[in-house]
Amino acid sequence: QVQLQQSGPGLVKPSQTLSLTCAISGDSVSSNSATWNWIRQSPSRGLEWLGRTYYRSKWFNDYAVSVKGRITVNPDTSKNQFSLQLNSVTPEDTAVYYCTNMDVWGRGTTVTVSS
Amino acid sequence: QSVLTQPPSASGTPGQRVTISCSGSRSNIGGNTVNWYQQLPGTAPKVLIYNNNQRPSGVPDRFSGSKSGTSASLAISGLQSEDEADYYCAAWDASLNGWVFGGGTRLTVL
Repeated sequence: QVQLQQSGPGLVKPSQTLSLTCAISGDSVSSNSATWNWIRQSPSRGLEWLGRTYYRSKWFNDYAVSVKGRITVNPDTSKNQFSLQLNSVTPEDTAVYYCTNMDVWGRGTTVTVSS
Repeated sequence: QSVLTQPPSASGTPGQRVTISCSGSRSNIGGNTVNWYQQLPGTAPKVLIYNNNQRPSGVPDRFSGSKSGTSASLAISGLQSEDEADYYCAAWDASLNGWVFGGGTRLTVL
């Protein structure tokens, strides 16, 4: 079955870049049927979808309006994983970040934005 | 303010049947399928229902989902103490071009 293993730092300074990685087992990041998403959860915003990458003969990305311009979700076919980069973070970006194919979820990474 | 609307709380006694509603619009529930997730404290959400009414293997048949127009419902029959959790609905929104979620319903088993 599909499993998702998240990695990345739990503390990021304001104005810097948040970077997380999600390693996939049991499926391929290049699957023609799956989408690979990043979602965050905070008490103030609830569950908030951030963006996704997926392959349908070529690579596609979709991003939430709330973070567009600051976010990049990239596949890494050599390592069968995908990543999240969120630039220019502020304390409002403090949340638990999850990777998911909308069925299976990673365990979550608590990210705090603080100096 | 969440795009999908759920009641903030629900409750029932063991053995009872409880229903949680999720209201949206034509751009999300009205035109796409609905997923339901269960989240226990300190854990990641777990899919209970996908494609409106399909259960992944391992999810008890006490959990069922339905959809009508721009609304969806999750029903839990034979309520058990371990069902105490937060429940979220989700759907793809064609106007926003992204997934949208309900604000969550906290289920208490009395």
